[in-house]
Amino acid sequence: GAVVSQHPSWVICKSGTSVKIECRSLDFQATTMFWYRQFPKQSLMLMATSNEGSKATYEQGVEKDKFLINHASLTLSTLTVTSAHPEDSSFYICSAPGRNDEQYFGPGTRLTVT
Amino acid sequence: QQPVQSPQAVILREGEDAVINCSSSKALYSVHWYRQKHGEAPVFLMILLKGGEQKGHEKISASFNEKKQQSSLYLTASQLSYSGTYFCGTEETGAQKLVFGQGTRLTINP
Repeated sequence: GAVVSQHPSWVICKSGTSVKIECRSLDFQATTMFWYRQFPKQSLMLMATSNEGSKATYEQGVEKDKFLINHASLTLSTLTVTSAHPEDSSFYICSAPGRNDEQYFGPGTRLTVT
Repeated sequence: QQPVQSPQAVILREGEDAVINCSSSKALYSVHWYRQKHGEAPVFLMILLKGGEQKGHEKISASFNEKKQQSSLYLTASQLSYSGTYFCGTEETGAQKLVFGQGTRLTINP
């Protein structure tokens, strides 16, 4: 199956700083990628759809100025959490669709804001 | 709109069967099933696109009802490796995105 990587796997940052998370499709191209956030023992909540060459589409309630998404190439999307606060601590997962619409998920990035 | 999964949790002995249901109030374009183990990303199991469709692989199968509003995942003769949280992801026609249910935690004991 297709492989999606994320970097870093985990990150600890201080409140008020920014953190960038990378999502890469390793053996296929992805014009669209999705960013999810998952709190402990909860479901995956879609934050935004990342579109190569155009602006991301954000879900209702997600601040686009706080969660900056850039889809610079057909294999890379980045999520930057700006001015991070402790309530932003979560598991961030990206995914990219395969040939048959199945979603291939990255391994996730655990963000802890102190 | 988030689909509703049931049950929320299941505890089985190895070798027993389980059924997990996923329901939507709207007709869907597709239903996806994923399994997630603690601290890991979800892993794709299968996708259903057609009303009345049934598909499976080894001892895990799924169905999609004719109205395309309800799907069930069947785990037969469960193995210890089946433990994890199962999520259905639903896609409404034209939405081009998945909305996940709240998950069903499956525990398999020896």
